[in-house]
Amino acid sequence: AQSVTQLGSHVSVSEGALVLLRCNYSSSVPPYLFWYVQYPNQGLQLLLKYTTGATLVKGINGFEAEFKKSETSFHLTKPSAHMSDAAEYFCAVSHNFGNEKLTFGTGTRLTIIP
Amino acid sequence: GAGVSQSPRYKVAKRGQDVALRCDPISGHVSLFWYQQALGQGPEFLTYFQNEAQLDKSGLPSDRFFAERPEGSVSTLKIQRTQQEDSAVYLCASSSLAGQEETQYFGPGTRLLVL
Repeated sequence: AQSVTQLGSHVSVSEGALVLLRCNYSSSVPPYLFWYVQYPNQGLQLLLKYTTGATLVKGINGFEAEFKKSETSFHLTKPSAHMSDAAEYFCAVSHNFGNEKLTFGTGTRLTIIP
Repeated sequence: GAGVSQSPRYKVAKRGQDVALRCDPISGHVSLFWYQQALGQGPEFLTYFQNEAQLDKSGLPSDRFFAERPEGSVSTLKIQRTQQEDSAVYLCASSSLAGQEETQYFGPGTRLLVL
């Protein structure tokens, strides 16, 4: 069985400050890990993904995440928050990249303070 | 190019009514997924198709839920005798089997409200 825990259902940061959204996973086999972003009344958009290889993954809009097997974590970061980053962020895990169901966390709502 | 589309975007149903939700995947995408997203929660897997074959329906919450993809393209999720607990956003996603770049692309969802 696999699961995802996102610590903090709401995170607020000032514009220009560091964004850190936490994700821990549980998996009995090597996981594939994803971060998706959801804007109001829209579907989910992939930010970045980890499958194999380099553990530091860079995604769109300046986001990156690091896979740490020893900590079973895949935290999402961005050095400088922008107002347009305000959205809901979901971490997800699967066992077979593509064509395998995603198991999502409960999400973190990111608010940017002007 | 066109993404995943879903219709209707909003649906209000009286308890006990049947509803049908449609998903048009990205052209040529072999795989299609349905997820249910309750208010304030992350999406939860319902079912998965590869072409017209339903390979996994382990997430369907009851036998009132039925999904089909008869020609391997458009898919319909049907909910019979809707209950209030069925109120949620239903998300469809599709992906290609091509190489390493398989990513699930999501539609905007159908927001179902059962009164």
